[in-house]
Amino acid sequence: AQKVTQAQTEISVVEKEDVTLDCVYETRDTTYYLFWYKQPPSGELVFLIRRNSFDEQNEISGRYSWNFQKSTSSFNFTITASQVVDSAVYFCAPPYNNNDMRFGAGTRLTVKP
Amino acid sequence: GAVVSQHPSRVICKSGTSVKIECRSLDFQATTMFWYRQFPKQSLMLMATSNEGSKATYEQGVEKDKFLINHASLTLSTLTVTSAHPEDSSFYICSALFNTAIAPETQYFGPGTRLLVL
Repeated sequence: AQKVTQAQTEISVVEKEDVTLDCVYETRDTTYYLFWYKQPPSGELVFLIRRNSFDEQNEISGRYSWNFQKSTSSFNFTITASQVVDSAVYFCAPPYNNNDMRFGAGTRLTVKP
Repeated sequence: GAVVSQHPSRVICKSGTSVKIECRSLDFQATTMFWYRQFPKQSLMLMATSNEGSKATYEQGVEKDKFLINHASLTLSTLTVTSAHPEDSSFYICSALFNTAIAPETQYFGPGTRLLVL
């Protein structure tokens, strides 16, 4: 079984602040993938990143960065210099695993101007 | 990323009628598609897994006779809400599983369908 926990249900920041969204996962697999998705107010989930458990290097994409720590089972997501357009619900997710696909509760990020 | 379309984007229907929602993978073949339901301010709830050419696998508590799923081709899965009632009003989202060496085990989502049953 794999599952993720996003302890932060809602976060509110002011524009240009940095913000980190936490994700802790549980798995018995030795190799696995983890994902982050963004759900803006329009409702469509947008794929942000996939991380292979073999690769613990941090990844940076523009203002987005991800910190994967296998030792603490965490896959945190940081937005640098947040913008109003970053306001959305962000989901951390494990891969589908035969009858055990469970998205986390999601973190609702509000970026105020 | 891969593109998944969903139609219709929004539907209003009367109680007792049936509604069909289509989910298409536009630029790849998807052996597996998923159907989710999402209530306001809540997470996604997996309803069923749809495999091309076989019967869908429903999650516990989801009525298979109520939510008919058909995955007749590698690019199309349909969800039919039969005899819809107001409590079926929700946001329905499909996803298609993209599973290649470049993008393993990755779900790409459709834009969702907002169903309102009067």
